[in-house]
Amino acid sequence: NAGVMQNPRHLVRRRGQEARLRCSPMKGHSHVYWYRQLPEEGLKFMVYLQKENIIDESGMPKERFSAEFPKEGPSILRIQQVVRGDSAAYFCASSPPLGQGSHEQYFGPGTRLTVT
Amino acid sequence: GNSVTQMEGPVTLSEEAFLTINCTYTATGYPSLFWYVQYPGEGLQLLLKATKADDKGSNKGFEATYRKETTSFHLEKGSVQVSDSAVYFCALSGSGTYKYIFGTGTRLKVLA
Repeated sequence: NAGVMQNPRHLVRRRGQEARLRCSPMKGHSHVYWYRQLPEEGLKFMVYLQKENIIDESGMPKERFSAEFPKEGPSILRIQQVVRGDSAAYFCASSPPLGQGSHEQYFGPGTRLTVT
Repeated sequence: GNSVTQMEGPVTLSEEAFLTINCTYTATGYPSLFWYVQYPGEGLQLLLKATKADDKGSNKGFEATYRKETTSFHLEKGSVQVSDSAVYFCALSGSGTYKYIFGTGTRLKVLA
C-alpha cells in the first residue's frame, strides 16, 4: 500500500509566479490535510479537505492561497503570485473516512518551495 | 486553545548517552499524543503515539508515557546512536478534532 505521495519534492519559483503542489492520499483515504513548515519551526495546519469539499481552511492565508480535492485526481495546493515569505516545506497528510479505523494522519514527504 | 511546548534544541549527545526531550501540552478533553521524527531533507515519520492517559508508546528503543496529571509526554531513549540524529516533533490531536498541533521541534545531534 503506497503511502501519501507529493510532487514535486522540490519547487523553485520566481517572485510573482504560481506554485502548484500535488498530493495523492493513501489508498482508501478520503480526507486530506495541508500543513506548512517555515524554516526552524513546527508544522502549522492550513486546510482540511474531503473529496470536492473544503471542510476547514482556517489556517490558510486569506489571499493568494487556495486548495482543492477533486472527485478524481490529487489534491492541489495553489499559491498565486508567490513571495519570498512563501518559501517553506508544505506537507500533505491523509486519513481514512470517519468510522473506518483511527483518524490518524499519515504524512507525505513534503514539497520544499523556494521563491527566488 | 490547544498547544504543545517542547524543549528547545539543539541537543548534542555522545553515542550511547541517555536522551530525554521534554514535551508538555495544553488541551481540553482527552487528546491523542504523538512523537514524529524528521531526518534531514525528509518528511515526517510517526515514531510513537499514545491515545489515553498512562499509555506508553514505544518504537525503536524510544518511549513516551502519556501523563495526564502533569500534561506531559516526554520522549526518552536509553542509548542513542548517531543514526538518531534528526529533528523530533511532539504533536497532539484534540479529542473530537482533526487538527494536529505541533511543537516547534527539537534538533538532536549524536556524536560518535
